[in-house]
Amino acid sequence: TQLLEQSPQFLSIQEGENLTVYCNSSSVFSSLQWYRQEPGEGPVLLVTVVTGGEVKKLKRLTFQFGDARKDSSLHITAAQPGDTGLYLCAGAGGLRAGNNRKLIWGLGTSLAVNP
Amino acid sequence: NAGVMQNPRHLVRRRGQEARLRCSPMKGHSHVYWYRQLPEEGLKFMVYLQKENIIDESGMPKERFSAEFPKEGPSILRIQQVVRGDSAAYFCASSPAAKSNTEAFFGQGTRLTVV
Repeated sequence: TQLLEQSPQFLSIQEGENLTVYCNSSSVFSSLQWYRQEPGEGPVLLVTVVTGGEVKKLKRLTFQFGDARKDSSLHITAAQPGDTGLYLCAGAGGLRAGNNRKLIWGLGTSLAVNP
Repeated sequence: NAGVMQNPRHLVRRRGQEARLRCSPMKGHSHVYWYRQLPEEGLKFMVYLQKENIIDESGMPKERFSAEFPKEGPSILRIQQVVRGDSAAYFCASSPAAKSNTEAFFGQGTRLTVV
């Protein structure tokens, strides 16, 4: 069974600080996605990383996929209160049709950015 | 272009009753995925459907749960004889294709409470 572990589980920081959250596994994934979920809402896709070592930037967010495609990190620069939410990573295991949607999910990092 | 629509947003059922959760995918999307989210367990894949076909139901409990995606109308997740352990948030996602890395869009979820 593939498992994704996210750390830290909870993070509370002040506006303007930088932070990094992690998503680790002992298994290899064909791709990995990061989502943000707000209370009472569904997850919203932020990025998909596919290639080992890949780095993608989305404004103040930087996503990196590990060389071995087993882990990923999300770095937020100058965090803002609007970044508050639950950050989830999800890995896709196989290449068969449909397998990319049988995502394996981490439990998430709950981020609170205080003004 | 409306997003993925789920209804109801909140559903309360007594033990033993039936729960019907509806999901209308985004326009042009023919692939639907159902997930269940529990606070301590994260998101778990339940079932993947295309129009009139169940592609992967490996995450569905063997009893009481069923899903369909008819040619016309929304996808339905049906839970018969609900028990307290069925209380959870149920999310539906849709995508236009099942190719690797196709973005899936999530609905806002149905929060089922069994009393």
